[in-house]
Amino acid sequence: DAGITQSPRYKITETGRQVTLMCHQTWSHSYMFWYRQDLGHGLRLIYYSAAADITDKGEVPDGYVVSRSKTENFPLTLESATRSQTSVYFCASSDQSGGNYEQYFGPGTRLTVT
Amino acid sequence: AQTVTQSQPEMSVQEAETVTLSCTYDTSESDYYLFWYKQPPSRQMILVIRQEAYKQQNATENRFSVNFQKAAKSFSLKISDSQLGDAAMYFCAYRSGRSQGNLIFGKGTKLSVKP
Repeated sequence: DAGITQSPRYKITETGRQVTLMCHQTWSHSYMFWYRQDLGHGLRLIYYSAAADITDKGEVPDGYVVSRSKTENFPLTLESATRSQTSVYFCASSDQSGGNYEQYFGPGTRLTVT
Repeated sequence: AQTVTQSQPEMSVQEAETVTLSCTYDTSESDYYLFWYKQPPSRQMILVIRQEAYKQQNATENRFSVNFQKAAKSFSLKISDSQLGDAAMYFCAYRSGRSQGNLIFGKGTKLSVKP
């Protein structure tokens, strides 16, 4: 199906483990983003990517790693998960051509670190 | 740095009535975009309406409209003829015209609709 998907939708992991959240979009959008949503904070940007092999930090990048070897995929890795990284993670993509600045969001991944 | 403030953590409206959600933002830029996103219990983020700062006319989308006051840096969302399906979290978001496209979000307003 066309659109933006995230996997897994739910994940429970232990402190210190590495976990990777996947994001895949079928529109060939150039821009992709990772946000985290916490109670009382709204959504905050973790990392973003303007194109394949181009990534940059957002507001809260510590403890996260991203890569973008293909335009359609933008995985987010927590190298050593901590309880403070318990959150809902959203991936988004955007074309940003022709004056279209809408971001399309995936369904989110709820991550719990025990 | 730009900031977005939603001063109403929770709001309630009677079905078929009108409700206004408030949003203020702080920026020194002249080129930017503003958005309202809806997040129902499913967690899906849904774009409700957007406003380009260079446009003086307030954006409207069916029952949703905004009151954009650029000088006051205010961007409120009005929902007319409220429906039960409007119950959700609503987030105001800012995008700089010079940024790589990332959004800066307010903390959200939880809207309840009473039948």
